[in-house]
Formats: sequence, structure tokens, C-alpha cells
Amino acid sequence: QLQLQESGPGLVKPSETLSLTCTVSGDSISSSSYYWAWVRQPPGKGLEWIGSIDYSGSTDYNPSLKSRVSISVDKSRNQFSLKLSSVTAADTAVYYCARDYVPINWFDPWGQGTLVTVSS
Amino acid sequence: NFMLTQPHSVSESPGKTVTISCTRSSGSIASNFVQWYQQRPGSSPTTVIYENYQRPSGVPDRFSGSIDGSSNSASLTISGLKTEDEADYYCQSYDSSRVFGGGTKLTVL
Repeated sequence: QLQLQESGPGLVKPSETLSLTCTVSGDSISSSSYYWAWVRQPPGKGLEWIGSIDYSGSTDYNPSLKSRVSISVDKSRNQFSLKLSSVTAADTAVYYCARDYVPINWFDPWGQGTLVTVSS
Repeated sequence: NFMLTQPHSVSESPGKTVTISCTRSSGSIASNFVQWYQQRPGSSPTTVIYENYQRPSGVPDRFSGSIDGSSNSASLTISGLKTEDEADYYCQSYDSSRVFGGGTKLTVL
């Protein structure tokens, strides 16, 4: 059974870089049928797609975040990672990782999510 | 890019049927598949409908999905409402980008 688990700091200072890792278990991240996605949810608000990556490192990013986002993949560790630079309080959110099933871009399953707070 | 617009909230009684709409702002709703996710408080989203009307295994047939080209919208219908269906529901689709609707809070009272 495929499982995803987010990890990383729960507190980041304004203007710094948020870094999170998603560990995939139960399947290889190298499957060509899938991308691997990051989605966030500010407290009390809706879902926002951040970006997705495939096993070869090909990426798609949300245009509204593209200038600050970098997603990478580590096939040897079956992990993919998110970096979001120059964070502000508006980046405070629960960050989820999920499998992104191409070509219909269906997110399933999701990790449990991790809350990242941006505060000094 | 396009937007997906959902009602902020809906409410209905147990045993009744409710329909949640998801209207695409530009481009045809039929051009790209629509998914629906359920999110209970404190939990991650889970899929209730994919590819417009397909149900993952384990999702009861009380949940159904459809699209309507005339209104350029997708709909999630839940029949025989149960209190456990109370949750937030999000539609999602894509073209050059992946897009979520704003979410609908379903109250079963």
C-alpha cells in the first residue's frame, strides 16, 4: 500500500527558505505513470497546488509560486523535496505531498500533512 | 488559467440528497477530467470521484459525479446522506496547471 510522509521544520523565519521532504513507501518513485506533488492549505482555507515532479526531474509549477519554488527528486532514497524561498506569513499552511497520476492529474493518495508556520 | 467556483456551504438532513456544483470559468469542463476530494476536519483529503464520475474502491455508490457542458460545470451528488458525510469537498481539474475549487462545507443536520 502506497504511503507518503512529509517531514521538515515546523517553524521558519520570514525571508528564509522553507524546506520539506516527502518519503514514499510501498511503491517506487521511479514509476513513469506518476508525478509527485506538493499541495498546501493555509489554516481555515482551501487547497492550493504548488508543483509536481516526475522521476526524471521534469517539473510543473503553479505560475503564482513559480519564482520561489523548487522541487527535486532523490530516486535512491525514494523521496522528493520542496523548497520555497523568501517566505512570509502568507506561506503559513499545512503542506501535503501526494501522488499525481498523469495524465489526468489526480492526486491520490495524500500524506498526512505537516504544518509549517512562518514567524520570527 | 481558469478557476473552479464552488458554493461556500450547503446543508441537508440525514437521508436526503445534496448536490455540490463546480463551475469552470473558462475553457470547456469536458476538456479535462474533474476529481472530487472529501476532507474531514483534521484529516488529509481523500478521493470520492475521479475522471468525472469514477468511484475509487471503498467509496459507496451514494457518491456520484457528473459534468454538464451547458453550464460548464461538474457536480458531486451524495444521496442517502449520513452524518459521517459532513466534511469539506473540493473539486479539481487541470489544463496547463492543476486547479482546485475553493471548497464546499457540507453540513448534515
